[in-house]
Amino acid sequence: DAGVIQSPRHEVTEMGQEVTLRCKPISGHNSLFWYRQTMMRGLELLIYFNNNVPIDDSGMPEDRFSAKMPNASFSTLKIQPSEPRDSAVYFCASSFGTGVQPQHFGDGTRLSIL
Amino acid sequence: AQKITQTQPGMFVQEKEAVTLDCTYDTSDPSYGLFWYKQPSSGEMIFLIYQGSYDQQNATEGRYSLNFQKARKSANLVISASQLGDSAMYFCAMREGTDNFNKFYFGSGTKLNVKP
Repeated sequence: DAGVIQSPRHEVTEMGQEVTLRCKPISGHNSLFWYRQTMMRGLELLIYFNNNVPIDDSGMPEDRFSAKMPNASFSTLKIQPSEPRDSAVYFCASSFGTGVQPQHFGDGTRLSIL
Repeated sequence: AQKITQTQPGMFVQEKEAVTLDCTYDTSDPSYGLFWYKQPSSGEMIFLIYQGSYDQQNATEGRYSLNFQKARKSANLVISASQLGDSAMYFCAMREGTDNFNKFYFGSGTKLNVKP
């Protein structure tokens, strides 16, 4: 079975540029989560969706960050304009519907803003 | 209050010995799930084991077991017969409720080093 698929795996870009991270959740999962992980702040929840609807975006750092889930099989996290302090590993995770189910993570996108 | 507390930033264990990683949680919801994840140096987050709040028995998955003490609100991970490949960060997590409108709470992690 295919797991959560994230792209790109690595991204290096200059500050001020737009960055788009992509995620394909596991088929049949209806919750999707975006996390950011840094040494300083650990694992932070940015936003999560249920049935393609954003439920809680209180973790989004600022207006430069936006996330969309146009359908059940695709989500994007966009940073515009990017800044060096956005450098981190960004994870997407998904989980299945009813009951208390674990979330499964993608391999992450390692983002470096120069 | 922190929802998930992992008090051991780092631990060492000798290869082939058992090790316990501590996790305490805070919730007033009678329904919740507890999870452990492993993050090796390669970076991926790997789901290890799950315990439901109503489960009568401690969860086990191979060499992993979860020592669930509900009254103490603890969910410690026990790794038996440690292997060098067990060296990694380990995260405890909780999800409250039984629907998908609730997020996961993660602890700060414990870095385990297995010595040969």
